[in-house]
Amino acid sequence: KNEVEQSPQNLTAQEGEFITINCSYSVGISALHWLQQHPGGGIVSLFMLSSGKKKHGRLIATINIQEKHSSLHITASHPRDSAVYICAVLKGAQKLVFGQGTRLTINP
Amino acid sequence: DTGVSQNPRHKITKRGQNVTFRCDPISEHNRLYWYRQTLGQGPEFLTYFQNEAQLEKSRLLSDRFSAERPKGSFSTLEIQRTEQGDSAMYLCASSPGWTNEKLFFGSGTQLSVL
Repeated sequence: KNEVEQSPQNLTAQEGEFITINCSYSVGISALHWLQQHPGGGIVSLFMLSSGKKKHGRLIATINIQEKHSSLHITASHPRDSAVYICAVLKGAQKLVFGQGTRLTINP
Repeated sequence: DTGVSQNPRHKITKRGQNVTFRCDPISEHNRLYWYRQTLGQGPEFLTYFQNEAQLEKSRLLSDRFSAERPKGSFSTLEIQRTEQGDSAMYLCASSPGWTNEKLFFGSGTQLSVL
């Protein structure tokens, strides 16, 4: 079993829908990252959080340390949000362990 | 500053050849990471530098792999005697150097071993 599991693996939705991507982990962590990867490989860091909730524009990330679970929400989704969203947890000093990613497709 | 830069963007090589990739992090970022990503998977940690010191190395990094960051600025990742299984996207990331900071990724080097 992977240390970081994301669900769903693939998600297709219509423009405007509310999107939720989940991440569960099985190890002790010091922080959790949500990353966005577009075709061609470029990865952008969206959030880094260790507790509670963060919001940036239409994106919201939450984490529950006790339940070892995090969610990424996208409100009013848009086709430009189509990308792979990756959850990564920070184990120990600096080692990031990545989930397998969630491929999101938003149709107009 | 233009962000983390990786060169080349693509590399095609024959099995058994040596290849070297370069990563230029954001200036003044102390930490530099190398990851490998295969199709449909999340990235896997390879190695990590704090300035010029290589502090951690994954078991994924066989003896054919070596990474350096000689002056604490740019880094190189060399793969000797490449194998088809080495085909992957090699990603570099940097961060400023304090706890729990954001990572900044390069666009990666796509390696294809024929």
